[in-house]
Amino acid sequence: EVQLVESGGGLEQPGRSLRLSCTASGFTFGDYAVNWFRQAPGKGLEWIGFIRSKGFGETTEYAASVKGRFTISRDDSKSIAYLQMNGLKTEDTAVYHCSKGRTQAGPWGQGTLVTVSS
Amino acid sequence: DIQMTQSPSSLSASVGDRVTITCRASQSISTNLNWYQQKPGKAPNLLIFAASSLQSGVPSRFSGSGSGTDFTLTISSLQHEDFASYHCLQTYSTPYTFGQGTKLEVK
Repeated sequence: EVQLVESGGGLEQPGRSLRLSCTASGFTFGDYAVNWFRQAPGKGLEWIGFIRSKGFGETTEYAASVKGRFTISRDDSKSIAYLQMNGLKTEDTAVYHCSKGRTQAGPWGQGTLVTVSS
Repeated sequence: DIQMTQSPSSLSASVGDRVTITCRASQSISTNLNWYQQKPGKAPNLLIFAASSLQSGVPSRFSGSGSGTDFTLTISSLQHEDFASYHCLQTYSTPYTFGQGTKLEVK
């Protein structure tokens, strides 16, 4: 069974950093891109970015709202993708999800809550 | 950016009804369109990818159609567990963008 589990969320102050992990199982992780999405409380869904597989150069793309602050990386030996979030803003408060595949974008993990507040 | 216009924003229906939700893209996205179901407090669940391909494990009462700019999600006979929110997502070009969502409620 394909599973993705996010971790690393929590309460952080504005301007600080946080790193989220997405641990995958049930498929050959290295063959697939990984997307990150988020959903602010009571709000809609937002795409954050993705990382392609090694076969496609592990290249990344990001939403304008996070470009230059967030970085996606991966460790295929551990089947983990990371979302490094720097310069956190209050508007980054959301549940963060990862998903398998660049265009198929599913399934998703259950998400991890990030709260940015002073 | 590609704008996705989803309609209706809310819908009241009864068990057994046939329901249709639409998404319109601001430009052609070929068939790069996914549909998700989301229940309160849960992650979105992929139902349909590439406009019409049923994700493994999803009941066959769900179907998707369309290409270019106009897309449809159809639930052929509503079941109790289908009352939820539904979202479309275009994966044709970045930034990927979602429709505003449709809340499907019990009539």
